[in-house]
Amino acid sequence: GAGVSQSPSNKVTEKGKDVELRCDPISGHTALYWYRQRLGQGLEFLIYFQGNSAPDKSGLPSDRFSAERTGESVSTLTIQRTQQEDSAVYLCASSPSGLLGKLFFGSGTQLSVL
Amino acid sequence: GIQVEQSPPDLILQEGANSTLRCNFSDSVNNLQWFHQNPWGQLINLFYIPSGTKQNGRLSATTVATERYSLLYISSSQTTDSGVYFCAVERKLRDDKIIFGKGTRLHILP
Repeated sequence: GAGVSQSPSNKVTEKGKDVELRCDPISGHTALYWYRQRLGQGLEFLIYFQGNSAPDKSGLPSDRFSAERTGESVSTLTIQRTQQEDSAVYLCASSPSGLLGKLFFGSGTQLSVL
Repeated sequence: GIQVEQSPPDLILQEGANSTLRCNFSDSVNNLQWFHQNPWGQLINLFYIPSGTKQNGRLSATTVATERYSLLYISSSQTTDSGVYFCAVERKLRDDKIIFGKGTRLHILP
């Protein structure tokens, strides 16, 4: 596609439910990142996929968070048993290379946990 | 891990003024990028500048990698320049992740 696509753009869920967020990177981009941005805050690194290498999961805040990526295409970020503190914008970005690559962002998913 | 510090945290200027935003980082980097996040939340890549100087219209950026800092200059600012400016770096290790600073919030008054 022309840009990084994220869905849904907004998600409202009840505390304790599971949610799945989707990211469709730019075609041909080998690197894919997930970040979390709380209201008025900076970008918090969550997870990084680079080609077929093992993902860097060092930013995932708890074992309720997980992410998968099939090859060099779509990625899903799953949050189990959501908590109110999970409310944030979840941003996905892709890059043509994990090293020395310019980063392109999607529009994000606004997650609200009631 | 690498530390990325941006200053000032907040800046309020009158339309037409010039500004300089700074990004300091604590380790050698392969990659440094500046982003603008507009009031609707969209992040736009302004510069990919691991070293040297680049210019794009009223914006320019300089990275001095040996001294571990980068500067973003905005000249003749306009209200559309308002938003948050982020610096992001990739440390000099294979496949290291890209880490963001906390940003500078810029508000341009008409």
